[in-house]
Amino acid sequence: GEDVEQSLFLSVREGDSSVINCTYTDSSSTYLYWYKQEPGAGLQLLTYIFSNMDMKQDQRLTVLLNKKDKHLSLRIADTQTGDSAIYFCAESGSARQLTFGSGTQLTVLP
Amino acid sequence: EAGVAQSPRYKIIEKRQSVAFWCNPISGHATLYWYQQILGQGPKLLIQFQNNGVVDDSQLPKDRFSAERLKGVDSTLKIQPAKLEDSAVYLCASSGVGGELFFGEGSRLTVL
Repeated sequence: GEDVEQSLFLSVREGDSSVINCTYTDSSSTYLYWYKQEPGAGLQLLTYIFSNMDMKQDQRLTVLLNKKDKHLSLRIADTQTGDSAIYFCAESGSARQLTFGSGTQLTVLP
Repeated sequence: EAGVAQSPRYKIIEKRQSVAFWCNPISGHATLYWYQQILGQGPKLLIQFQNNGVVDDSQLPKDRFSAERLKGVDSTLKIQPAKLEDSAVYLCASSGVGGELFFGEGSRLTVL
């Protein structure tokens, strides 16, 4: 079945850029997503990219997609303490069901 | 616009007891999902409804889990009898014609 993998932890200094990486196995994925989850809260959609795109920029967020390598990354510019959270990569196929990775815990140090 | 509402937020039960979770999706959203999120893992789809019909329940442990969406709006997820490994956050999500999933805050279940 589909599989989505992420590294578990990332620490950065406030003001630096964060890069969170994700790999997936389903070559038929139509959309790839990044969600943010703060403690005790549900998942908040940050951004998404259609599978025929290479890059998408949305304010401080840049998503890069390498479809050949099935690699997705999320870059957060000028990372702030409020960005500390768990970030989930997810992919969807034709049924609009999401398969999530295990999440990357981002810690922003002052 | 009101978001996806879930209740209860927290529930503690003993193993072999039963529990039910309720979800009210965003108004007009035809598709409703229940996800299970075990601590330290990403959410895993349990069941997907389109209006009041089941689209996919292949990952639902049907010997103990059941879900319904009788009028195509609210949904309930029931676990009976609960096992220790059912301790998790149960997330409800809904989507409309745009396809974006909106998640509720989840119902945290602890089975002792």
